[in-house]
Amino acid sequence: DVKVTQSSRYLVKRTGEKVFLECVQDMDHENMFWYRQDPGLGLRLIYFSYDVKMKEKGDIPEGYSVSREKKERFSLILESASTNQTSMYLCASSLLPNYGYTFGSGTRLTVV
Amino acid sequence: DQQVKQNSPSLSVQEGRISILNCDYTNSMFDYFLWYKKYPAEGPTFLISISSIKDKNEDGRFTVFLNKSAKHLSLHIVPSQPGDSAVYFCAASAKSSGDKLTFGTGTRLAVRP
Repeated sequence: DVKVTQSSRYLVKRTGEKVFLECVQDMDHENMFWYRQDPGLGLRLIYFSYDVKMKEKGDIPEGYSVSREKKERFSLILESASTNQTSMYLCASSLLPNYGYTFGSGTRLTVV
Repeated sequence: DQQVKQNSPSLSVQEGRISILNCDYTNSMFDYFLWYKKYPAEGPTFLISISSIKDKNEDGRFTVFLNKSAKHLSLHIVPSQPGDSAVYFCAASAKSSGDKLTFGTGTRLAVRP
């Protein structure tokens, strides 16, 4: 089974802090994604990557950046955390287009 | 602009009965559709999918129906079981946009014993 591991289940950060969310997958998948889930808004795509060192903006990239230095690792960076970035963050990977995503368990981030 | 909509935020069904979850989309370029199930404190898990060249796909108790002219898909669960209680997300992708998934807002299904 493909495993997608997110480094933290729960995080509490202060406004203005730089925050790193880490995601690692163990099945050599090309594609990796970061979503956030908010009540009433579903899952919204922040950034995605189809290859090492490649990144593309999703629907809500403002306030975020990403890094993909190795195929198995995709990091989401909040440059200066704000309270409106309090959310559940979900990382996913996929092997092929339309193959379906495998999600990690999520990181619930609270910014105070 | 919500391209994938799930207009029912919640649904309650008796165990053993049919659950029908609905999803509407606006982007005519979408050509692949998926359903995911999400339990609290877990990531979504893939349930079933359908290509736009089909109008029905079945997998055990789960069937997805696609009506392209109405831009509507539905997920049928028969019979419903208490373990099906979860949030269900529909998602869609288009080859023209690199196959990334656009998700709906989710429907919380509660199956009563």
